[in-house]
Amino acid sequence: SQQGEEDPQALSIQEGENATMNCSYKTSINNLQWYRQNSGRGLVHLILIRSNEREKHSGRLRVTLDTSKKSSSLLITASRAADTASYFCATATGGKLIFGQGTELSVKP
Amino acid sequence: DAGVIQSPRHEVTEMGQEVTLRCKPISGHNSLFWYRQTMMRGLELLIYFNNNVPIDDSGMPEDRFSAKMPNASFSTLKIQPSEPRDSAVYFCASSLVDSNQPQHFGDGTRLSIL
Repeated sequence: SQQGEEDPQALSIQEGENATMNCSYKTSINNLQWYRQNSGRGLVHLILIRSNEREKHSGRLRVTLDTSKKSSSLLITASRAADTASYFCATATGGKLIFGQGTELSVKP
Repeated sequence: DAGVIQSPRHEVTEMGQEVTLRCKPISGHNSLFWYRQTMMRGLELLIYFNNNVPIDDSGMPEDRFSAKMPNASFSTLKIQPSEPRDSAVYFCASSLVDSNQPQHFGDGTRLSIL
């Protein structure tokens, strides 16, 4: 069963714009992770935020976590055509990850 | 360093045939996960192992599916007999045994059952 619900399902922006993706979940978590998947490839880990953290940055990525609302957001700043991919949130509960359905991001040059 | 290696990358076979998917995790990783990805159901966890021992197989759809990890560097996922609804992309991932560690994915096996 899917724990994470992502919003929007698809997002199309111009190069240079910011992209924001949201993730909501249902149960308590140890951490929340974001992954990227390029077409025909496996998932690649982007960033992990622990349940006691509120915000984390990595390069052009900014992740927030609100455990009271059971939600997270991923912001990609100054997007590039190479950022075109599907983005998934995953909640860590026990020893496993539960993935959302993903947001398909298209960045047009 | 080599990443997670899966084979074959593509498999096309007839309904009823046995299918075996293979995975070599990253050296030193002691957790291994098998996932299935479809358009309808997204990415589903089938089974995972810690230190070669199956911990949770609640995602395995039915008895036609089985997974083994005979040693720390090799795992198989077997479907016998295969059915058209098993068509999907199957991913293997590995990590250290710690929920605060990221998982590293292979590039998957695209399975088509005719």
